[in-house]
Amino acid sequence: SYVLTQPPSLSVAPGKTARISCGGNNIGSKSVHWYQQKSGQAPILVIYYDSDRPSGIPERFSGSNSGSTATLTISRVEAGDEADYYCQVWDTDNDHPYVFGTGTKVTVL
Amino acid sequence: QVQLVQSGAEVKKPGASVKVSCKASGYTFTSYYMHWVRQAPGQGLEWMGIINPSGTSTTYAQKFQDRVTMTRDTSTSTVYMELSSLRSEDTAVYYCARAAAGPHYFDCWGQGTLVTVSS
Repeated sequence: SYVLTQPPSLSVAPGKTARISCGGNNIGSKSVHWYQQKSGQAPILVIYYDSDRPSGIPERFSGSNSGSTATLTISRVEAGDEADYYCQVWDTDNDHPYVFGTGTKVTVL
Repeated sequence: QVQLVQSGAEVKKPGASVKVSCKASGYTFTSYYMHWVRQAPGQGLEWMGIINPSGTSTTYAQKFQDRVTMTRDTSTSTVYMELSSLRSEDTAVYYCARAAAGPHYFDCWGQGTLVTVSS
């Protein structure tokens, strides 16, 4: 089945930019979606179809996808951005079509 | 607004079954697929399966194929996930998540239901 690899953790100072990578075989040919999960809460969608933002998600959140890596970028990081972030794709593998990345814990210093 | 409200926490013994419910509101229930995703303590998200809007078709992850059953009741706008032959490794938070119109991602999630399997 398809595998998505993320760095386990990332630390960033307030006001700086966080870039979270999501690696997968030819991931640039797939649509990538991103979820934010704060401690003890359910995930919420922050980016869909590589770079679209749902209503209510700040413009500080953006996404890109090319080649073997997709990236979620959080600009002007705030304390409230501290959370786990997961990428996700839909794959043609009929046995397991919805695949999540391993998750990245973002810590705001 | 769109809301998915799940049933409360459960404690089950190994070998038992659990049935978790997810009541939807704020949208046309019969127009959207629904997924179930679980998260073991301290672990990542794991997709379990999907049920179509009418409840006539399901697709399950191979890992759960022989133990999970997803159903939906359109009269109450509720989706159910039943997992049988529980083992300790099934201890997790179980989420229902609406399939977006896209439809390959999840645009709204329930609050989660903790299922603890312990003797």
